[in-house]
Amino acid sequence: RKEVEQDPGPFNVPEGATVAFNCTYSNSASQSFFWYRQDCRKEPKLLMSVYSSGNEDGRFTAQLNRASQYISLLIRDSKLSDSATYLCVVNTADSWGKLQFGAGTQVVVTP
Amino acid sequence: DAGVIQSPRHEVTEMGQEVTLRCKPISGHDYLFWYRQTMMRGLELLIYFNNNVPIDDSGMPEDRFSAKMPNASFSTLKIQPSEPRDSAVYFCASRPGMANYGYTFGSGTRLTVV
Repeated sequence: RKEVEQDPGPFNVPEGATVAFNCTYSNSASQSFFWYRQDCRKEPKLLMSVYSSGNEDGRFTAQLNRASQYISLLIRDSKLSDSATYLCVVNTADSWGKLQFGAGTQVVVTP
Repeated sequence: DAGVIQSPRHEVTEMGQEVTLRCKPISGHDYLFWYRQTMMRGLELLIYFNNNVPIDDSGMPEDRFSAKMPNASFSTLKIQPSEPRDSAVYFCASRPGMANYGYTFGSGTRLTVV
């Protein structure tokens, strides 16, 4: 079983709509959680950290469910520029210095 | 802050040649990571360093790959001899030593071995 699993998508979303997707992680002792976005042919960039109480950054909301071991990302009022691959990232069991990346969820926002 | 700096941005080389990729991490970051990304295999961790010391190189594909970090501001990833299957984007990333911090990635080196 992979440490971090994501639905690869693509999630096709009309502009202005809301999209949400999850990521599951296998290590119950994981402590750090992040969402990264990666545009085509670019490096991954940190979108937001995910805190236990959930957090919001503009149109983006991240949630953590420790009991079910998943994190979620919700994008409201989708923009064309939100089209990207969103990577779920979790710290690993053997070393908190090393983060484990999911394979990514592709989001395509259409006009 | 200039961010993580990688060079070259693009590299095209012939099979059998030596390739050296370079990375300058963000000043003050204790961890440095080398990743490889392909369409087929996604993002793969090759090796990472903590305070210039290699901690985990289990992701290095084979002996043709080697990485060094002679000081806190510089690291290299070398492939010798290179093969067409090494074609990929190689990313370097760094992060602070404190918990709950994510990585900052460099722009990557797009390597093509012909």
